Amino acid sequence: EIVLTQSPGTLSLSLGERATLSCRASQSVISSYLAWYQQKPGQAPRLLIYGASSRATGVPDRFSGSGSGTDFTLTISRLEPEDFAVYYCQQFDSPPRYIFGQGTQLEIK
Amino acid sequence: EVQVVESGGGLVKPGGSLRLSCIVSGFTFSSYSMNWVRQAPGKGPEWVASISASGGYIYYADSLRGRFTISRDNAKNSLFLQMNSLTAEDTAVYYCAREAGATLGYWGQGTLVTVSS
Repeated sequence: EIVLTQSPGTLSLSLGERATLSCRASQSVISSYLAWYQQKPGQAPRLLIYGASSRATGVPDRFSGSGSGTDFTLTISRLEPEDFAVYYCQQFDSPPRYIFGQGTQLEIK
Repeated sequence: EVQVVESGGGLVKPGGSLRLSCIVSGFTFSSYSMNWVRQAPGKGPEWVASISASGGYIYYADSLRGRFTISRDNAKNSLFLQMNSLTAEDTAVYYCAREAGATLGYWGQGTLVTVSS
């Protein structure tokens, strides 16, 4: 079974800085099945990126995804106050199941 | 506008049962696979179960050991999760989520299940 490992566990940055979050898979995965979610306290996860690099509807263009094989990255180009949250990567596997990473907490420095 | 609303959570004793419901609107329910995802306090999301649009294909997380049953009623735009033999490890917020390709594009606000004596 695929395991997704996210790093760092916590990332402390200032407003306007660039954030780089990593998601590493235990084996090569299909890029079109890799997604990223944002979760704020008391809310459900919100889909940000699908297919490793496509933004979901309404997601600002400061969010971008990249990667292939086993290494994927979520980049936030210039941090806004509303971006501080927990981020999860997710892989769709067969038989149908959704595998999540353990998350990266993005906090204000 | 897509709306997903879960209900049925609450406090239950170890070994007990609970049935969660999810009612949706804003899309053609009978055209999409649906899922339950749970999130224990301070943990990441964990996929629980999936049911195809017609209900003919059902999948569960291996960790559930046959204790949970997912079902749907397309006539009532509703999804269900019957949970039996509950333990403290089942304590979590349970989300109903609609598939969007290989992702979970729409989520409800969740319903909290607490298993405690």
